[in-house]
Amino acid sequence: RKEVEQDPGPFNVPEGATVAFNCTYSNSASQSFFWYRQDCRKEPKLLMSVYSSGNEDGRFTAQLNRASQYISLLIRDSKLSDSATYLCVVILKAAGNKLTFGGGTRVLVKP
Amino acid sequence: DAGVIQSPRHEVTEMGQEVTLRCKPISGHDYLFWYRQTMMRGLELLIYFNNNVPIDDSGMPEDRFSAKMPNASFSTLKIQPSEPRDSAVYFCASSLERESTDTQYFGPGTRLTVL
Repeated sequence: RKEVEQDPGPFNVPEGATVAFNCTYSNSASQSFFWYRQDCRKEPKLLMSVYSSGNEDGRFTAQLNRASQYISLLIRDSKLSDSATYLCVVILKAAGNKLTFGGGTRVLVKP
Repeated sequence: DAGVIQSPRHEVTEMGQEVTLRCKPISGHDYLFWYRQTMMRGLELLIYFNNNVPIDDSGMPEDRFSAKMPNASFSTLKIQPSEPRDSAVYFCASSLERESTDTQYFGPGTRLTVL
């Protein structure tokens, strides 16, 4: 079983709609969680951290469910520019704070 | 700030040749990471340095791969000899503090093709 798993998609989303997807992690001792965004043929860039209480950044909302060991990302009022691959990142401090990336979820927002 | 700089951006080589990838981290950053990304395996951490010292190289696939950081502003990842299965995008990233790994900044990557 992979340490961090994501549905690869693609999620085809009409412009203006809401899309949500999850990421599951296998190690219950994982301590920090993030979402990165990667555009086609570009480098990953930090989108947002995921806090235990959940957090929001504009149209983006991230949630953490420690009991079920998953994090989620919700995008409201999708824009064409939201089309990208969203990478889930988990850090396990016991493993030397190494970042472990999920395989990514591809989102395609269409007019 | 120029961000993380990588060179070359594209490299095409033949099996058996030596390949050297270069990275200049953001000035003042004390952590440097090398990643490899493929469709099959996603993004994998190969090795990372703190203050020019290799801390964890457990992700380096085999002895054909080596990485150095002779000073705070330069690192290399070398593959010798290269094989077709090494074809991937290699990213370098840097950060200021290990506790703040949410602020890793990635370079544009080197797209390596081994024929």
